[in-house]
Parts: sequence; C-alpha cells; structure tokens
Amino acid sequence: QVQLQESGPGLVKPSETVSLTCTVSGASISSYYWSWIRQPPGKGLEWIGYIDYSGRTNYNPSLRSRVTISDDKSKNQFSLKLNSVTAADTAVYYCARVLWSGHPIFDYWGQGTLVTVSS
Amino acid sequence: SSELTQDPAVSVALGQTVNITCQGDSLRTYFASWYQQKPGQAPILVIFGKNSRPSGIPHRFSGSNSGNTASLTITGAQAEDEADYYCNSRDSSGDHWVFGGGAKLTVL
Repeated sequence: QVQLQESGPGLVKPSETVSLTCTVSGASISSYYWSWIRQPPGKGLEWIGYIDYSGRTNYNPSLRSRVTISDDKSKNQFSLKLNSVTAADTAVYYCARVLWSGHPIFDYWGQGTLVTVSS
Repeated sequence: SSELTQDPAVSVALGQTVNITCQGDSLRTYFASWYQQKPGQAPILVIFGKNSRPSGIPHRFSGSNSGNTASLTITGAQAEDEADYYCNSRDSSGDHWVFGGGAKLTVL
C-alpha cells in the first residue's frame, strides 16, 4: 500500500524559507512522478510542481522563482523549498504520487501539513 | 484565476443525477482527472482519463468529455457524496498542470 507523509515546520516567519519533506512508503520514487500541491485555508487546490523519476522538475510559473523540489532516493523522500514566504503562502501542503498518461493523475496523497506564515 | 473553470456551487436532490463541469481550452487536447475532497481530508481521485475509476470508487461516478468541457457525473447521488470536487489537467501551453477552482456539491 502506497503511503505518503509530509513533515516540516508548522510555523515560518515572513521572508524565510519553508522546507517540507515527503516520505514515501510502498512505492519507489525512482518510478512515477511526485508532486506538491497546496491549499490556502478555505480556498482551492494549487499545483506547485513536480519531480520525476529521473530528477527532472517542473514548476507552476507563478511560483517558479521561489520553489525548488528535490529528491533523496536513498531515503525514498522528496522535498519542497519555498523561499521568501509571505502570509499568502499560508496553506495546507500536500505531497502526491502522479501517474502520467498524457495528463496528470494524482492517485495517492499525503494527509497534508499546515504551514502558517506569521511573525 | 484558473485556466480550468468550474461552477463554484452545485446542488442535487438525494438519489438524482448531477453533472459537475470543468471548462478550459486545454481540455480540447487533454483529459481531466477529478478529485473529491471532504472537510479536513486530503483529496481522493475519483475519475481519470476517458472514463476510468480507481478501485473502490462507486460505479455511480463517471466522466465524459466534449469539446472544451470535461464532466463528472454522479448518477443517484448519495448524502456521502456531498463534498468539494476539483478537476485537473494540463494548462493551455501543455507544459504545466492546473486545478479548477473547485465545485461545492450539496446533496439536498
């Protein structure tokens, strides 16, 4: 059974960098695509970006200048770094596995982790 | 604003059929996937591709596509189907991914 678990700080100060890690079990990150999605309180889902099995990344153009997604295959983890955060980055952050069939299919999701940006 | 447009609120009487739509230019080329999200929970995949359901998703959920519109149909809606529904696909450039704004389904 595939499981994903996000981890990271729940509170980050404005202008700092938030770093989140997704630990995957039941599947190898050397296969598939792996993505981050976020959801501000009371709002909709926003795709942040992905890293694929070869380490290639792709980011939401609106966040590209502040986002880095990387992986650690030895730990079967992938990570998100978002720098220069503001209150607008307060959201639940989800990691997900993605099947690719000409379009993305997010078939397994983590439970999400709330990141609050506040001084 | 999202490149995939959904009506923000949809309602259906218990046991009736409801269509939740998703419009966008990219849908003329690419399929959409659909996600159900209940309060406080992570989204779950309900429909993908032409009209495929993951294991465990009830048969009352189905998908279809026409022109620039993808539709999620619930035939015989149940109280437990009350949730937010999001579509997702590639954007109009094809290079990135995008979610629709979401539709809140109320079962009356």
